[in-house]
Amino acid sequence: AQTVTQSQPEMSVQEAETVTLSCTYDTSESDYYLFWYKQPPSRQMILVIRQEAYKQQNATENRFSVNFQKAAKSFSLKISDSQLGDAAMYFCAYRSGVSGTYKYIFGTGTRLKVLA
Amino acid sequence: DAEITQSPRHKITETGRQVTLACHQTWNHNNMFWYRQDLGHGLRLIHYSYGVQDTNKGEVSDGYSVSRSNTEDLPLTLESAASSQTSVYFCASSESGGGARGQYFGPGTRLTVL
Repeated sequence: AQTVTQSQPEMSVQEAETVTLSCTYDTSESDYYLFWYKQPPSRQMILVIRQEAYKQQNATENRFSVNFQKAAKSFSLKISDSQLGDAAMYFCAYRSGVSGTYKYIFGTGTRLKVLA
Repeated sequence: DAEITQSPRHKITETGRQVTLACHQTWNHNNMFWYRQDLGHGLRLIHYSYGVQDTNKGEVSDGYSVSRSNTEDLPLTLESAASSQTSVYFCASSESGGGARGQYFGPGTRLTVL
């Protein structure tokens, strides 16, 4: 069975600085998708970025980018120029690419604090 | 705009009562999911459905049930509420097929069982 591990329960970053959140996963599959979700205090889950395993190029969305290391089964999120609004829980998630399998597996989350 | 809604947003109930949490999506997604979120556990899958009349158990399904009679709705029922079921519950939906674009989440329901 697949697992997703976020080993950093909490991280802090100074406003305007860069922070990297770690995520590792375990799978025997070669085709899958990876996601980072943000959950601000409002509790609404917001998709930040997604990565397809067959793509070697790392995904980027404005200030958010990933470092996808398929062999190491690592999928870290880098937030550049951190803003106060980035303060939230961040969840890493995995979805199998096997046809007919649509479950998502989530990590336990990392709470990011942004210091002014 | 398409959306996914949950009701109620907050619910307080007593041990032993039956409780139903509603989830409605207008994305026309085949797949719908129920999670519970507890501190230190992230999101844990309770039940999921890949289409009308299809339901499946997740990792923490004991004490919960779902039914899927149409594409838009997946209500979650707690047969006999227990204090251990105090949690925040999220409903989510996603499309089928390749090119996963992620799940769309409802705003959550905070349930307190006294």
